[in-house]
This record gives sequence, C-alpha cells and structure tokens, in this order.
Amino acid sequence: KQEVTQIPAALSVPEGENLVLNCSFTDSAIYNLQWFRQDPGKGLTSLLLIQSSQREQTSGRLNASLDKSSGRSTLYIAASQPGDSATYLCAGTRRAGGYNKLIFGAGTRLAVHP
Amino acid sequence: DAMVIQNPRYQVTQFGKPVTLSCSQTLNHNVMYWYQQKSSQAPKLLFHYYDKDFNNEADTPDNFQSRRPNTSFCFLDIRSPGLGDAAMYLCATSRGVTDTQYFGPGTRLTVL
Repeated sequence: KQEVTQIPAALSVPEGENLVLNCSFTDSAIYNLQWFRQDPGKGLTSLLLIQSSQREQTSGRLNASLDKSSGRSTLYIAASQPGDSATYLCAGTRRAGGYNKLIFGAGTRLAVHP
Repeated sequence: DAMVIQNPRYQVTQFGKPVTLSCSQTLNHNVMYWYQQKSSQAPKLLFHYYDKDFNNEADTPDNFQSRRPNTSFCFLDIRSPGLGDAAMYLCATSRGVTDTQYFGPGTRLTVL
C-alpha cells in the first residue's frame, strides 16, 4: 500500500516553463509535509517544510502548498532551469510511538532541457 | 563544514559477506536514523536511535543491525547481504524525535 503518491513519476520540460509536481497522501494522521531534492546518487536536501498550521511555504522560485483536508500537496517551480533537474520527493510526517516518522513518496524525476 | 557524513560513499560487497556502513554527525543531535532507498523507490526507515535507545521498524529484516557507540557515530551492519539489499543507505539526524531531520549524502551499496 503506497501511503504517499507522487505524480507524475517523470517529467521533461523545456527551460523556462513553470511546472507543478503533485503529492497525495491517504493517511489523515500526516500533519507536516516536506519537499526534498535528490540529485543522482546523492542524499536528500530539504527544500520546504509546511507545518500543520500553514498552507504554503515559499523559497525563491519554489512554492509548496498543503491541503490536509484533501490529502494533497503541490510543489510549484517557476521559470525552470536545467539546474533544477533532479528527483523531487515529498514526505509526510506522522507520529509513531512518540517520534516523528517520515513517510516518503517515490519521487518525481524532473529533467529540464535547454 | 559537513554536518552528516557517511562513509564510504560507495561500497561493493559480495553476496553473504558482512558489511558495515558508517555515519557521523557534527550537530550533536540526539537522534540518528537509517533509511534504505532502492532504485526509483521511496526511502524506507529501517531503525533509529534516540541517544542509546534503539528503535527497530517492524518490517526491518533481521539481517540488518545497528550500533551507536557514542553521540557522533552510528553504524549499519548487514550480516549476510543478499542481492536484494543493494540500495542507497541514507543516514539522518535530528535534535529530538519531533524535530527536522538532516540527511547525509548516502552510501550506495552494490552486492555482487
């Protein structure tokens, strides 16, 4: 059972396009939502964290929103650049036995071509 | 000024030959986590330490064990690696069990 789903699995766009990555979750106990970037063969870099009391967060060209009632989050990337090419993972946070557990999606692999 | 360091970055082992992956941190965080990420899949939590308290996820295979000799270091031991254990292994730390996790660069394990 996939608790966190990311669509599309892969995306290829020309440079300069605005794009939206989608994340959905079925577990109503998820209360935070975090977006990560992963370059090939590398670890995870946190991009944005949307806490339960927030609806969106912005950092530069990135904007992430969270709608807990519908179990959805989106990551909006404005004016995409080739350097944005990477895999983007979302992760929901839920409490499990007194600690925070991150539940990851499988990611969207983004390629931005010049 | 790397904060979460994983060594080695690439590890090749033979089927059935024990292997140890290392994670160290300069953040003085109380909690250290190990995740397994297979190709094109979501990272999956294997276990975590809160100080010296070890917490194993229910579906982590017995083949996987961990040691935390001090605050700074945490090791992942795979007793008898199988081909299905080939993956990226990610270490993360957090100050407390409800705080933001910081990830290391990962160790890619190949099993021949």
